[in-house]
Amino acid sequence: DVKVTQSSRYLVKRTGEKVFLECVQDMDHENMFWYRQDPGLGLRLIYFSYDVKMKEKGDIPEGYSVSREKKERFSLILESASTNQTSMYLCASSFFTIIGSNTEAFFGQGTRLTVV
Amino acid sequence: AQSVTQLGSHVSVSEGALVLLRCNYSSSVPPYLFWYVQYPNQGLQLLLKYTTGATLVKGINGFEAEFKKSETSFHLTKPSAHMSDAAEYFCAVSGSGGGADGLTFGKGTHLIIQP
Repeated sequence: DVKVTQSSRYLVKRTGEKVFLECVQDMDHENMFWYRQDPGLGLRLIYFSYDVKMKEKGDIPEGYSVSREKKERFSLILESASTNQTSMYLCASSFFTIIGSNTEAFFGQGTRLTVV
Repeated sequence: AQSVTQLGSHVSVSEGALVLLRCNYSSSVPPYLFWYVQYPNQGLQLLLKYTTGATLVKGINGFEAEFKKSETSFHLTKPSAHMSDAAEYFCAVSGSGGGADGLTFGKGTHLIIQP
């Protein structure tokens, strides 16, 4: 069974802390993504990576960074957590495919982060 | 650029009634279209997808969707709602080769099933 695993389901952090959210996939996918989910806003792409050590900004990268040192692992970093980063964070992965193929993404269970 | 519009943030239907969740998209390239479902405190699970070929797509749990290019729509339907269908549903589009820039999601529709 395919799997995307996020290291924590729930996290509570203090304002100003450096926060690491970890994601591991076992499907040998090239692409990995971090989304943020907020009520009424749906899912918004923070960062994505299509290869080891490669990263690209998504729609809302401000206040975040990422790291991909190994193909199976993609980390989201909040350099200095703020209360407006309280949210549900979802990691996803997919194969890199040529044009004409599907690009289905597989999701982790999510990490609900509260910054106090 | 791509975008997805889901009409109705909340949809309420009676158990046994038809479920219809609306999705319209815009894309500058031929789109790949997806419906995902999210149960409380869970990640997203793929319901169905359209890539190429037959425009009526069948998915899991009795759901299906029809791709209508002329209407730029990909509405999700189920003939008879079940209590277990209560969840958040997201429509998404991916139009680029490789999918490396991820999916663009709608804001979601919360489906409520009345007993």
